[in-house]
Amino acid sequence: AQTVTQSQPEMSVQEAETVTLSCTYDTSENNYYLFWYKQPPSRQMILVIRQEAYKQQNATENRFSVNFQKAAKSFSLKISDSQLGDTAMYFCAFMSGTSYGKLTFGQGTILTVHP
Amino acid sequence: EPEVTQTPSHQVTQMGQEVILRCVPISNHLYFYWYRQILGQKVEFLVSFYNNEISEKSEIFDDQFSVERPDGSNFTLKIRSTKLEDSAMYFCASSADRGRATEAFFGQGTRLTVV
Repeated sequence: AQTVTQSQPEMSVQEAETVTLSCTYDTSENNYYLFWYKQPPSRQMILVIRQEAYKQQNATENRFSVNFQKAAKSFSLKISDSQLGDTAMYFCAFMSGTSYGKLTFGQGTILTVHP
Repeated sequence: EPEVTQTPSHQVTQMGQEVILRCVPISNHLYFYWYRQILGQKVEFLVSFYNNEISEKSEIFDDQFSVERPDGSNFTLKIRSTKLEDSAMYFCASSADRGRATEAFFGQGTRLTVV
């Protein structure tokens, strides 16, 4: 079974600075996908960024980028130029290439951006 | 922008009672999911549903749980005889596809409290 671990329950950052959220996972599979989801207070989870395991290039989406280290089974999220609207719970998630879309989540990291 | 909607946002029920949680997925999506999050714990997969049948279910999804798509728009989760430990936030999600890192869209959740 796959597991996903986020070791930082809470993080904080000043507006306009950069922050990195950590995620590690454990799997014996070679074909899988990794995701970061954001859940603002009282709102639904939305996808921030995704990474296919077969791609060596790290995914980027505007201010969000990942550092995908397949051998180390690490998948960290970097948020550059942090904004107040980035304040949210962030979930790292794993999806097997053989599943029917099932996501395995980490515990989540609460990120607070301070003005 | 299309979104997944869940009703009610909060439901309180007595132990042993049946409860139905409702979800309206995004209209052109074909894959549907339920997840739950017990307070302070990880978001956990319950079940995935496609073509009017369960595709995959977790060990949590035992005989007291059932899912249904009764009318082509709603997707429901029924808990037959609720227990105290069923108290959790329940999230519905839908996706257009199940693989290739397809984005799952989540609802805001229904907080179920069993007393």
